[in-house]
Amino acid sequence: GAVVSQHPSRVICKSGTSVKIECRSLDFQATTMFWYRQFPKQSLMLMATSNEGSKATYEQGVEKDKFLINHASLTLSTLTVTSAHPEDSSFYICSAPSPGGGGANVLTFGAGSRLTVL
Amino acid sequence: AQSVTQLDSQVPVFEEAPVELRCNYSSSVSVYLFWYVQYPNQGLQLLLKYLSGSTLVKGINGFEAEFNKSQTSFHLRKPSVHISDTAEYFCAVTLHDYKLSFGAGTTVTVRA
Repeated sequence: GAVVSQHPSRVICKSGTSVKIECRSLDFQATTMFWYRQFPKQSLMLMATSNEGSKATYEQGVEKDKFLINHASLTLSTLTVTSAHPEDSSFYICSAPSPGGGGANVLTFGAGSRLTVL
Repeated sequence: AQSVTQLDSQVPVFEEAPVELRCNYSSSVSVYLFWYVQYPNQGLQLLLKYLSGSTLVKGINGFEAEFNKSQTSFHLRKPSVHISDTAEYFCAVTLHDYKLSFGAGTTVTVRA
């Protein structure tokens, strides 16, 4: 089946630095990808929609300058957390529309990237 | 806008016992409904989905869910759980696009 790969799976960084998380669709193309954020013991919140070849669409309340999204190719989207602070620590999960999703809007999710900002 | 309420935050259950996870949604129009499972430190895996048609939907790993339009519910059930079913379960809804709205999740802990 379709696989979405995220890298790194875990990252620890110092406050004030920037961190890049990659999301790749393996063996299928994704013109759109979705980035979610999950706080401990809580649900997933959609942050933004990544669009290949154009600007990302951010959900209300998400800082565009803090969370930079680039969708450079049909198989790669990146999320860069700029000038990270401890409150940015979270589990970030990307997803892409599943090829042949059976007529539904089925998403394939990556395994997630756990960011810890010290 | 649509929303999802998962009525139980934690559900402890003994191995081989049945389990039901409750999900209610709010929407003024028809929606697609999903159940996803998340194992520790992993992404989400689709268990099953409801698009239209038969209200009883069967998914992977022996799970099934029933769509009830009048009660705006989409409860998930499994007749006999295993230790390996210990995980977080999320109900989600979408208005026929890819933007999913998730419930808060239900933690299922299966004990021997």
